[in-house]
Amino acid sequence: KQEVTQIPAALSVPEGENLVLNCSFTDSAIYNLQWFRQDPGKGLTSLLLIQSSQREQTSGRLNASLDKSSGRSTLYIAASQPGDSATYLCAVRRVQGAQKLVFGQGTRLTINP
Amino acid sequence: GAVVSQHPSRVICKSGTSVKIECRSLDFQATTMFWYRQFPKQSLMLMATSNEGSKATYEQGVEKDKFLINHASLTLSTLTVTSAHPEDSSFYICSCEIPGATNEKLFFGSGTQLSVL
Repeated sequence: KQEVTQIPAALSVPEGENLVLNCSFTDSAIYNLQWFRQDPGKGLTSLLLIQSSQREQTSGRLNASLDKSSGRSTLYIAASQPGDSATYLCAVRRVQGAQKLVFGQGTRLTINP
Repeated sequence: GAVVSQHPSRVICKSGTSVKIECRSLDFQATTMFWYRQFPKQSLMLMATSNEGSKATYEQGVEKDKFLINHASLTLSTLTVTSAHPEDSSFYICSCEIPGATNEKLFFGSGTQLSVL
């Protein structure tokens, strides 16, 4: 059974810092991994999707890496801003066409002005 | 990106009543929609997969008679929480996948916060 863990559960840093969020999964047989952002009481916004054959994806100040063999992914946020404050979720899909995403519990990020 | 609309965003109801939540894909046809539930400070858990024109597929432990899913058109799926009880209070969120997309990225609605008194 696939389990996804995110560490830390919460993180508070001053504005401008670079930071790393961690995601680990127990079964390395994944099809892809997706990072989401969730604002309080809101839906999810997809940030980055990494296919199992890829090692990283970048979008603006965000960079996500994937090390499938070790069951780890990181989300790097450069030059953090107060608007980055949200909960960040990672989710893995086991195989192509599999309908079930397995989510981590998220990291609640607070960027202090 | 793809737009998924979910309504209502928040509902408060009395115990024993039924609540219907709608999920619409606004700019594409979604043959499959997914319903998730999220309890406070917990992760999203898949409840069921809604297939247009056929019966929904429920995850283990989810009561199909309590959580009725209807996917009558390619742009609309509904989740009805029947005879709601306080333990059903949760954040419900739907998602859709763009048909034929090679990366199978999921797009989510804005969610519905259900509070049962």
